[in-house]
Amino acid sequence: QPALTQPPSASGSPGQSVTISCTGTSSDVGFYNYVSWYQQHPGKAPKLMIYEVTKRPSGVPYRFSGSKSGNTASLTVSGLQAEDEADYFCSSYAGRGTYVFGTGTRVTVL
Amino acid sequence: QVQLVQSGAEVKKPGASLKVSCKTSGYTFTNNFIHWVRQAPGQGLEWMGQINPRDGTTDYPQHLQGRVTLTRDTSTSTVYMELSVLTSEDTAVYYCAKDGGAYGDNAYWGQGTLVTVSS
Repeated sequence: QPALTQPPSASGSPGQSVTISCTGTSSDVGFYNYVSWYQQHPGKAPKLMIYEVTKRPSGVPYRFSGSKSGNTASLTVSGLQAEDEADYFCSSYAGRGTYVFGTGTRVTVL
Repeated sequence: QVQLVQSGAEVKKPGASLKVSCKTSGYTFTNNFIHWVRQAPGQGLEWMGQINPRDGTTDYPQHLQGRVTLTRDTSTSTVYMELSVLTSEDTAVYYCAKDGGAYGDNAYWGQGTLVTVSS
């Protein structure tokens, strides 16, 4: 199962929005509404930000939102803040109990 | 509160096997799947498998089938990840994570275990 494709980097100024894409196939992202997004700061464990494409766990700010169209899912961070600078990984259920992660995107707040 | 506490860092020789533990607390152990994820230095996340603590059933990615084994001990609420025939490419931080009952909602993670494979 090849990794989902994400852009290596994205950036924005404080207060702006940034959108990260996550492209899979019709066997994973395109077939299941089970895409998750994780934020990871250096040296820390990943933190769940979005699951089931659009759902936000308790405590995750409203400025984090998810969507999906066809084989591509997206994470949008609105009103960028300095603490949003991190690596972001998507993940999708791929059937038969398996999951696949994306290649990761480093978000820089300019 | 939910906690996942992993065993400590390890150094292994190529060809050896590895066993990492993940002791859970703060919730009903048999209610949620436990996933294992690893991250090589400077690289992305790699899903390694999941176990249903209720009945011990497991799922693994095809590329790790036969080399990774997940088990659980319900008496201690602990999950174990074994990886055999180690190579330098298995050098990574290994994480366990608890799902929330939905698909891919791993909101609780262990602290990570650094495994170094070197001759």
